[in-house]
Amino acid sequence: EAGVAQSPRYKIIEKRQSVAFWCNPISGHATLYWYQQILGQGPKLLIQFQNNGVVDDSQLPKDRFSAERLKGVDSTLKIQPAKLEDSAVYLCASSLVAGASNEQFFGPGTRLTVL
Amino acid sequence: AQSVTQLGSHVSVSEGALVLLRCNYSSSVPPYLFWYVQYPNQGLQLLLKYTTGATLVKGINGFEAEFKKSETSFHLTKPSAHMSDAAEYFCAVSEFEAAGNKLTFGGGTRVLVKP
Repeated sequence: EAGVAQSPRYKIIEKRQSVAFWCNPISGHATLYWYQQILGQGPKLLIQFQNNGVVDDSQLPKDRFSAERLKGVDSTLKIQPAKLEDSAVYLCASSLVAGASNEQFFGPGTRLTVL
Repeated sequence: AQSVTQLGSHVSVSEGALVLLRCNYSSSVPPYLFWYVQYPNQGLQLLLKYTTGATLVKGINGFEAEFKKSETSFHLTKPSAHMSDAAEYFCAVSEFEAAGNKLTFGGGTRVLVKP
């Protein structure tokens, strides 16, 4: 079974530029999550999708971050414009259904460096 | 609101020695608890989880954890460390809320295994 795929793996941009990350979840997984992991910290949930609908985006900085999951499969996360503090690893995860006891499967992440 | 505290951001153990990683949580409802491991430049992988039932949970790679409600703890142990256990470990708590099964992570503990 293929895991969660993310691209690119690494991205370096200058502040005020835009960047987009892509995620392809495990086939059949209805729930998709984007996390931000700043160096030395645990992952923090940015947004959760159930199929193509947003379940929780309470911690997404909506003035600069946006995410979509068209057709309920792949998802993109965009930052526009980027700030220095956005430097982090962006992790995508998926689970079969939305349930507190259900395992979330994580992709390898995209490491973003903002100069 | 749920939260997780991991005591010790770095732990150093000798190969063959006991590994003990501490995790305390705060939750307003009965929690679901998880331990994830993250190897360099990789995503998070589930080690074990507690949902209901037996409080001693066994996971992959010889790890186990015990849920102690009275102490609000979920410490992770492995009797004998192996060089391949060098990684970062994250404790996480989940509650099923109206907005979804949000995972809240601790800050992580990096394990160094000395030969």
